[in-house]
Amino acid sequence: QKEVEQNSGPLSVPEGAIASLNCTYSDRGSQSFFWYRQYSGKSPELIMFIYSNGDKEDGRFTAQLNKASQYVSLLIRDSQPSDSATYLCAVTPGGFKTIFGAGTRLFVKA
Amino acid sequence: DTAVSQTPKYLVTQMGNDKSIKCEQNLGHDTMYWYKQDSKKFLKIMFSYNNKELIINETVPNRFSPKSPDKAHLNLHINSLELGDSAVYFCASSLGLSGGIPGELFFGEGSRLTVL
Repeated sequence: QKEVEQNSGPLSVPEGAIASLNCTYSDRGSQSFFWYRQYSGKSPELIMFIYSNGDKEDGRFTAQLNKASQYVSLLIRDSQPSDSATYLCAVTPGGFKTIFGAGTRLFVKA
Repeated sequence: DTAVSQTPKYLVTQMGNDKSIKCEQNLGHDTMYWYKQDSKKFLKIMFSYNNKELIINETVPNRFSPKSPDKAHLNLHINSLELGDSAVYFCASSLGLSGGIPGELFFGEGSRLTVL
């Protein structure tokens, strides 16, 4: 079983729609959860982090965490073509190690 | 002023050669990392140093040797390059356990290695 699993996509949504990205993780002791965005040919950049169960909102982005189900999600409201990228779910079990999922490619059609 | 910088950005070399990638960060972070991203975009941790000490050493062939001369620099040397080493290698840094967002990584631009 992979440590962090994501649907590789591609996920295609029309402009203005809600994009929903999902991630599951295997280490029940994981403490910190992240979403990074990576544009083609660029490096990953952090867009959201969450530590506690529930929702966390930042602008058009909402991260959701359910530790009992070992599930993390990212919602992007009012999706824009500029949101088209690969979204990497990352989990820190503890200490210094951050483990990434394989990423979900998102296409937002104008 | 680039926060995490890597050189070179592109390397094209023959199998069997040796190559090095250098990384420098000016963020004052304590912890630095090497990640490998393959053609399927899977980002896998290779090594991590905290204040010049090796703290993470994943299952990586011993042809790969990291070196951290000080906490602002982390280099990666690869001996006897193989076709499967072709990938993008990302350097990253973080505050580690000393503050900021625990686990937040700041990435360099990546070094694309192509082995022919």
